Amino acid sequence: ILNVEQSPQSLHVQEGDSTNFTCSFPSSNFYALHWYRWETAKSPEALFVMTLNGDEKKKGRISATLNTKEGYSYLYIKGSQPEDSATYLCAFKVRSSGAGSYQLTFGKGTKLSVIP
Amino acid sequence: NAGVTQTPKFQVLKTGQSMTLQCAQDMNHEYMSWYRQDPGMGLRLIHYSVGAGITDQGEVPNGYNVSRSTTEDFPLRLLSAAPSQTSVYFCASSEFGTGARQPQHFGDGTRLSIL
Repeated sequence: ILNVEQSPQSLHVQEGDSTNFTCSFPSSNFYALHWYRWETAKSPEALFVMTLNGDEKKKGRISATLNTKEGYSYLYIKGSQPEDSATYLCAFKVRSSGAGSYQLTFGKGTKLSVIP
Repeated sequence: NAGVTQTPKFQVLKTGQSMTLQCAQDMNHEYMSWYRQDPGMGLRLIHYSVGAGITDQGEVPNGYNVSRSTTEDFPLRLLSAAPSQTSVYFCASSEFGTGARQPQHFGDGTRLSIL
């Protein structure tokens, strides 16, 4: 079973602050890293899928970077707004062969609360 | 498009009962999967399918059964419900063409309680 660690588990920030959190994963046999946003009482929604070392993705005020050699990804939120309050999940896929090789391992998430 | 539709949204069962959680998607996605979400745990993969007639086990398959007779539907069966299966269950789908390099689309979840 692969280990995907997310830190911190939770954080509170003031509206307007920028913040970031980390997803750590095994650096060997990397294939893909996903980020999802999960609002309370809703279902997880995909933010980014990252596949190459050095990848940087951006969606509005949210961006992510990927370092496959050292096994981490950062998610950044610039100028946090109350609507950014959610749990942010990352999920990791190791390179393997065969038709049955599509298995994502999820971290436990970082719960972000943005205080107005 | 409805996306991924799960039914029911809530269910209470007694220990030993069986039931089927339904999942349907209208995006013609090859890949479908079932996860369970428990407090303090990440989403854990129960079973998945890469196309009609093809299924495989995930991390926590015991006590669950799946089949995939059509591209659209991927039901999850609890054979004999146990209190340890109390959880929130999510179905997800995605394109499969490039393996895990496509984002997953999640249903709204089924909250299941086993008494």
